Amino acid sequence: DAGVTQSPTHLIKTRGQHVTLRCSPISGHKSVSWYQQVLGQGPQFIFQYYEKEERGRGNFPDRFSARQFPNYSSELNVNALLLGDSALYLCASSSIRTEAFFGQGTRLTVV
Amino acid sequence: QKEVEQDPGPLSVPEGAIVSLNCTYSNSAFQYFMWYRQYSRKGPELLMYTYSSGNKEDGRFTAQVDKSSKYISLFIRDSQPSDSATYLCAMSLILTGGGNKLTFGTGTQLKVEL
Repeated sequence: DAGVTQSPTHLIKTRGQHVTLRCSPISGHKSVSWYQQVLGQGPQFIFQYYEKEERGRGNFPDRFSARQFPNYSSELNVNALLLGDSALYLCASSSIRTEAFFGQGTRLTVV
Repeated sequence: QKEVEQDPGPLSVPEGAIVSLNCTYSNSAFQYFMWYRQYSRKGPELLMYTYSSGNKEDGRFTAQVDKSSKYISLFIRDSQPSDSATYLCAMSLILTGGGNKLTFGTGTQLKVEL
């Protein structure tokens, strides 16, 4: 069975640019959540989507947005990138309110 | 005060030792409790998932939850060098929108030495 897949695995962007990260959940899972993990810290919750609707939002600025598609895959968009946005971005797949399974993450470096 | 407190370590033990990892939390609304293992530059891997006070065992791993004390633990028996990783505790909170979010500890870095 395929696990949670995220793309790309790494990318480097310049301050002020925009980035789109993608996630495909485990087959049968309808919920996708996004987390940001900076070095030395635990992941921080950004968004949860279930059945294409936003079900939760963390304490992140409006530069962060996301959406979920009919096939339950998801995109995380970040506008006007700042150096502080450099982090590992993790996607978690679940049936809502059950255990969450994470992908390998996208490592974003903003220079 | 953070909602979830976890000793960052690093924790170094000899092979075969019993490892005890702990987290405390302040929010009594947390309903589900998880332990994840994260190798360097990889995504977290779910080890244990529980929702009630008491013990849950899976192979060499035992998760313990004490809701009255707001304290959770993970025990690793017969530790192996391959257990060397960062261990994250996570707690699930139901959101007003009907979803849930995980709140993580900072992670404990474990090294099991030959």
